[in-house]
Amino acid sequence: EDKVVQSPLSLVVHEGDTVTLNCSYEVTNFRSLLWYKQEKKAPTFLFMLTSSGIEKKSGRLSSILDKKELFSILNITATQTGDSAIYLCALSGGTSYGKLTFGQGTILTVHP
Amino acid sequence: DTGVSQNPRHKITKRGQNVTFRCDPISEHNRLYWYRQTLGQGPEFLTYFQNEAQLEKSRLLSDRFSAERPKGSFSTLEIQRTEQGDSAMYLCASSSQNLGVVNTEAFFGQGTRLTVV
Repeated sequence: EDKVVQSPLSLVVHEGDTVTLNCSYEVTNFRSLLWYKQEKKAPTFLFMLTSSGIEKKSGRLSSILDKKELFSILNITATQTGDSAIYLCALSGGTSYGKLTFGQGTILTVHP
Repeated sequence: DTGVSQNPRHKITKRGQNVTFRCDPISEHNRLYWYRQTLGQGPEFLTYFQNEAQLEKSRLLSDRFSAERPKGSFSTLEIQRTEQGDSAMYLCASSSQNLGVVNTEAFFGQGTRLTVV
């Protein structure tokens, strides 16, 4: 059974801090790892990672995948209150070509 | 709005009643997914369609749940004889999956929040 574990489960920081969110996984046939941000309702897509060691970057957010050690990290620099959200890690792999297996999520709270 | 659209946004129903939710995917997307999310958890896969064909159902999915995508466009998710444990956010997502392309991201709708009382 595919498995995704995120840590920490929650994190409280102040504006301007840098945060690192972790995602470890177990899967028999890896295809991709995705990061989503969920504020109130719909998860919104951030990154999709398929290759080890290649950093994906979008503004203050960046992410990297390590397929040998089976984990990914999501970094957010110079955090803002608008970054407060649940960050979800999801895995595509195994015997299913359709579903994503999600982790529990990390609740990030950024205080002014 | 060209995103994934779900209706209704909220549904309160009495235990034992049937409910039906609708999802309209992004128009050019051939894949449509249903997920369920409870408080403090990530979305849990229920089922997905490639065009009108239902290709996979979670083995956790009770036989009270049924989903259709009759013309390969919108989809409906029906829950029969609802139970309090069915209370959750039901999320729909869509993606474009073409032959030879292994990885594409899924885009989510705003969800339907179901409360069974």
